[in-house]
Amino acid sequence: DTGVSQDPRHKITKRGQNVTFRCDPISEHNRLYWYRQTLGQGPEFLTYFQNEAQLEKSRLLSDRFSAERPKGSFSTLEIQRTEQGDSAMYLCASTGRLAGSPPTYEQYFGPGTRLTVT
Amino acid sequence: GNSVTQMEGPVTLSEEAFLTINCTYTATGYPSLFWYVQYPGEGLQLLLKATKADDKGSNKGFEATYRKETTSFHLEKGSVQVSDSAVYFCALSDAQGAQKLVFGQGTRLTINP
Repeated sequence: DTGVSQDPRHKITKRGQNVTFRCDPISEHNRLYWYRQTLGQGPEFLTYFQNEAQLEKSRLLSDRFSAERPKGSFSTLEIQRTEQGDSAMYLCASTGRLAGSPPTYEQYFGPGTRLTVT
Repeated sequence: GNSVTQMEGPVTLSEEAFLTINCTYTATGYPSLFWYVQYPGEGLQLLLKATKADDKGSNKGFEATYRKETTSFHLEKGSVQVSDSAVYFCALSDAQGAQKLVFGQGTRLTINP
């Protein structure tokens, strides 16, 4: 399977605990995105990387959230001191460049990690 | 900022009915437009896209035309099947920079046999 993979698929944690999610993008893709999707809503952008550089962060990404992509391959998203409002599906996507002017990056999504904070 | 507004659901149709899901957007510049689909228990999949005005995206019998004058990208299918039951998301991305996706709230579609 050469798609985007995420681990774990489900995580249940108690409020105040730290959690870490992992995303493995499609191997030749150099852009990686994190989104958050709450029930009944569309995904919302959190942050993105080009290679190992984190180039943009949403204001949704509070200081309890941190993301890394140390070698420009897999990425991790850590949430410290989780709160019930953090319960959501966390989605990762990676992009491969398409032809065209300007070039369009088609994003391929992983299955997501569903976080439940009790 | 950029935003996408989708027709509220849920939408329930009979098999072979005609489908329209409305989508309008607000954006600066010239965004690319997308429809993504999320089948039960699966991740988001790109259904179709259009990158400039008057482009028509199509896939699996679905079509959408990029209408700059009405800032719309409505999804249509002439004859739906039970297997089309899913949640559909309209989205846009800037042509430059991060090209992050901005999604609508999604429309749940159920097709009855």
